[in-house]
Amino acid sequence: AQSVTQLDSQVPVFEEAPVELRCNYSSSVSVYLFWYVQYPNQGLQLLLKYLSGSTLVKGINGFEAEFNKSQTSFHLRKPSVHISDTAEYFCAVAGIQGAQKLVFGQGTRLTINP
Amino acid sequence: KAGVTQTPRYLIKTRGQQVTLSCSPISGHRSVSWYQQTPGQGLQFLFEYFSETQRNKGNFPGRFSGRQFSNSRSEMNVSTLELGDSALYLCASSLGGLRNTEAFFGQGTRLTVV
Repeated sequence: AQSVTQLDSQVPVFEEAPVELRCNYSSSVSVYLFWYVQYPNQGLQLLLKYLSGSTLVKGINGFEAEFNKSQTSFHLRKPSVHISDTAEYFCAVAGIQGAQKLVFGQGTRLTINP
Repeated sequence: KAGVTQTPRYLIKTRGQQVTLSCSPISGHRSVSWYQQTPGQGLQFLFEYFSETQRNKGNFPGRFSGRQFSNSRSEMNVSTLELGDSALYLCASSLGGLRNTEAFFGQGTRLTVV
């Protein structure tokens, strides 16, 4: 079984500032890791994913994440945020033999202030 | 290429009634997964269908059921509705291989039980 902990429920930042959203996971098997974004009244959109290989993963909208196996973390970063990045962000994990069953964290609400 | 389509977008039902939600996956996708999203419990996996068979199941009572048709469209049914079933129900489609990692989400059906 897998579990995901997003360490911050809300993160307020100023526009053009850098941001980091933290995610830790636990699993007894090898996993894939994901970050999704949800805008109000919308479904989930995939930002990026880690499957294997390079631990630094680049995604859409300027986001990137780093997989750290020893710390079981997959933190999301963006060097300069925009108002349009205001949304809820979800970290998710799936066992590699059951990739359709995603286990999500509780989400982090990112609020960008002008 | 059309995305994942969920109907209806909004639904209001009375306690004790039953409801059926529909999900049309992306053309060519054979896997459909369902998730429940609530403020208290977050995003929780309900079940996954692949080639008309339930392949994975979450920890929900038997009141929650689903099926998949030969054209990969899926329906989810909830019987004897309870107030706690009020949620956003999200459907995700993917190609379906066990290691396939790209899940595309629909916009969801918001169910309100009164």
